Amino acid sequence: GAVVSQHPSRVICKSGTSVKIECRSLDFQATTMFWYRQFPKKSLMLMATSNEGSKATYEQGVEKDKFLINHASLTLSTLTVTSAHPEDSSFYICSARVGSKTGTSRDTQYFGPGTRLTVL
Amino acid sequence: AQTVTQSQPEMSVQEAETVTLSCTYDTSESDYYLFWYKQPPSRQMILVIRQEAYKQQNATENRFSVNFQKAAKSFSLKISDSQLGDAAMYFCAYSYGQNFVFGPGTRLSVLP
Repeated sequence: GAVVSQHPSRVICKSGTSVKIECRSLDFQATTMFWYRQFPKKSLMLMATSNEGSKATYEQGVEKDKFLINHASLTLSTLTVTSAHPEDSSFYICSARVGSKTGTSRDTQYFGPGTRLTVL
Repeated sequence: AQTVTQSQPEMSVQEAETVTLSCTYDTSESDYYLFWYKQPPSRQMILVIRQEAYKQQNATENRFSVNFQKAAKSFSLKISDSQLGDAAMYFCAYSYGQNFVFGPGTRLSVLP
């Protein structure tokens, strides 16, 4: 149990275009989802926290107009990188925190497989 | 603010041997959660082990066990009978409420 999928796994786009990344919790309801960015050989950097049905909370320094997050349901969150530029190229990882499912930890984050974004 | 420190950027271990990865953290809370996650070359983050701070008993998961020293704010991971598949980045993490903080990671190499 506690599987998180992320789509697409890789995307290459031209500078100036927008890219949407989907994050789904497959077998549990996720009241909270997180979006991270990871640079090569570095730890995960939290970008934003999203709760179902409410606006995302962005970390300091993350442009909310550039990285649009929508948490439309208890199983789906999307990250849209708007007007992408080469400096946005990175590895983006989502995670989901278990909601009310009996027998599972509410404080554990389960991670998607990540999306490698390359902006040309 | 909570911080998580992993003082060993890289470690290596011989196959079948035991290795311990260090983690310390800073918090003023008393009821929190600690985790070790593994990130292999595929970059999929995998939960290795989880510890609730209110539990004195150290968590174990097969070959993985922790040494949780609450007073010292230390949370080390011991990997016994190391296997080639254990080679990965290991991240220690702390969770309290909406806060979830990762350490900088330790790269573990397993030598055949």
